[in-house]
Amino acid sequence: EAQVTQNPRYLITVTGKKLTVTCSQNMNHEYMSWYRQDPGLGLRQIYYSMNVEVTDKGDVPEGYKVSRKEKRNFPLILESPSPNQTSLYFCASSFYSGVKVGQFFGPGTRLTVL
Amino acid sequence: DQQVKQNSPSLSVQEGRISILNCDYTNSMFDYFLWYKKYPAEGPTFLISISSIKDKNEDGRFTVFLNKSAKHLSLHIVPSQPGDSAVYFCAAGLAGGTSYGKLTFGQGTILTVHP
Repeated sequence: EAQVTQNPRYLITVTGKKLTVTCSQNMNHEYMSWYRQDPGLGLRQIYYSMNVEVTDKGDVPEGYKVSRKEKRNFPLILESPSPNQTSLYFCASSFYSGVKVGQFFGPGTRLTVL
Repeated sequence: DQQVKQNSPSLSVQEGRISILNCDYTNSMFDYFLWYKKYPAEGPTFLISISSIKDKNEDGRFTVFLNKSAKHLSLHIVPSQPGDSAVYFCAAGLAGGTSYGKLTFGQGTILTVHP
């Protein structure tokens, strides 16, 4: 089954304690992204990756890091989480083929930073 | 600067009727647009996309219309079903080079379809 998986699904942590949210896709997509969803703000892109070892900032990259060492994995790293990073996070993988484009999301990770 | 806007926070329609969800954008350079549906506690589900070189794309009950001169796109759902009740997001992106993968989303519209 084609899917994007994220772990953990729920996480409560404290300010300053480094954490990693994993993301994996099995569709061999080149493009992967991380988003956060906050009330009234919709989905905002944090980072995206065009391929292995190629990443770029989205609209709200501050306080986040990513890496793309393998095509299927795109972990999101919070080196020193702060309460304003409490949010719902989504990973996605995408394909672009001429005029065809599609994007598939993971189930989400709800992060609370105390 | 909100480049993609969904000005209607909510929409309510009767089962069997047409649902029309609207989205406006400001960046005339966007090359493609996507619509997503999102249920609570789930990730967004990709519905349909359209390239900027087209003005219409159809997939089953879903049709997306693009009016480039007005910088406006709409999603039509016909006929609407109670299971369509969800939050709908539009998104826009640029093609080519390192721009692929960078998407800008609207704030979402809550669709409620009444039986």
